[in-house]
Amino acid sequence: EVQLVESGGGLVQPGGSLRLSCAASGFTFSRSWMSWVRQAPGKGLEWVANIKYDGIEKYYVASVKGRFTISRDNAKNSLYLQMNSLRAEDTALYYCVRYGDVLFDAWGQGTLVTVSS
Amino acid sequence: QSVLTQPPSASGTPGQRVTISCSGSSSNIGVTNVYWYRQLPGTAPKTVIYRNNQRPSGVPDRFSGSKSGTSASLAISGLRSEDEADYYCAVWDVSLRGVLFGGGTKLTVL
Repeated sequence: EVQLVESGGGLVQPGGSLRLSCAASGFTFSRSWMSWVRQAPGKGLEWVANIKYDGIEKYYVASVKGRFTISRDNAKNSLYLQMNSLRAEDTALYYCVRYGDVLFDAWGQGTLVTVSS
Repeated sequence: QSVLTQPPSASGTPGQRVTISCSGSSSNIGVTNVYWYRQLPGTAPKTVIYRNNQRPSGVPDRFSGSKSGTSASLAISGLRSEDEADYYCAVWDVSLRGVLFGGGTKLTVL
């Protein structure tokens, strides 16, 4: 069974940093593209970033470019999202998602990030 | 504001057929596949349609998808109360080099 478990969310002040982690199991992580998708409270879904299985290709939504960095450790079956210069509008539930032929085919339960003073 | 346009709400009575539209452009729907997700309150989204009109195993054939030009639609026939959820379309945009979600449609079963 595919499992994606996020951690690292919490309350952070504007301008602060946070690192999200996602532990993957039940599939060959090293052969899978991965993504982060977020959802602000009461709002719709927003794709944040993708990373290729080898960690070389990365794509970001314009609003986070230069502030967020997606990375992975295939030896640990783990995905990460380093978030710097956080803003109030980054407040959201962040999902770790497997990305593939059917776009997003497995989702974690999410970790909540709140940016507030 | 999302580049993919969905109606914010849709409704129908049990047994009816409803459709949800998703309007895009020549850099996304016009050239790539469309995907549809259903999200129940407090849960992660799940795929109901992939590659425009394919249903994952476990999704009833009451759900169907179609695409024409720069627009796509999700149709749900024989509406049931458990279909009440938020529905999102999604595509890869070749110009933005990123994934776009529609703004979401809240489906209410009256």
